[in-house]
Amino acid sequence: GDSVTQMEGPVTLSEEAFLTINCTYTATGYPSLFWYVQYPGEGLQLLLKATKADDKGSNKGFEATYRKETTSFHLEKGSVQVSDSAVYFCALTRNQAGTALIFGKGTTLSVSS
Amino acid sequence: SAVISQKPSRDICQRGTSLTIQCQVDSQVTMMFWYRQQPGQSLTLIATANQGSEATYESGFVIDKFPISRPNLTFSTLTVSNMSPEDSSIYLCSVVQGDYGYTFGSGTRLTVV
Repeated sequence: GDSVTQMEGPVTLSEEAFLTINCTYTATGYPSLFWYVQYPGEGLQLLLKATKADDKGSNKGFEATYRKETTSFHLEKGSVQVSDSAVYFCALTRNQAGTALIFGKGTTLSVSS
Repeated sequence: SAVISQKPSRDICQRGTSLTIQCQVDSQVTMMFWYRQQPGQSLTLIATANQGSEATYESGFVIDKFPISRPNLTFSTLTVSNMSPEDSSIYLCSVVQGDYGYTFGSGTRLTVV
């Protein structure tokens, strides 16, 4: 079945460092891809999404490009801040009405000043 | 996008008892999804609830343990039955609305003692 694989965490970075969190997927057809973020003590928030190949999602300095040839949707940010410390989840859904999100295991990011 | 009110936000329950979690949405939605997030883990889909029909459960989840009701297009409940400490998790409901995408409730943090 459909699945999402994320790099294992935790990821520990210094402020202003470059961030990459790898995400690959297995799916039939052409899924939509998402990154969600969960800040400490808070609920899930959509960070960005892409719905077709070569689309780039971006938000708050984060970017991810839908790569069909490598079935990947890696999350990147050029300069992380302490406030970016959170758990990041890669997810997909099949482009069919009423289908649920399938999540990766999550990657914990810790940024120190 | 939809706003979801989920309650209770947290509870501590005795093993062998049951807890019912409620999700109220401020607009009509066709599908509602219930997830479980075990400590330090990702979100796992429990079931999909469509108004007017029985919920569809994912592998590893059964109706006797997690009965779901969906009496109308704005409301759903998930019951965790005959609880054991292994049921200690965060339970979340989610909806999807066209271009607005997926919205999540704030979660119910359940501790079974």
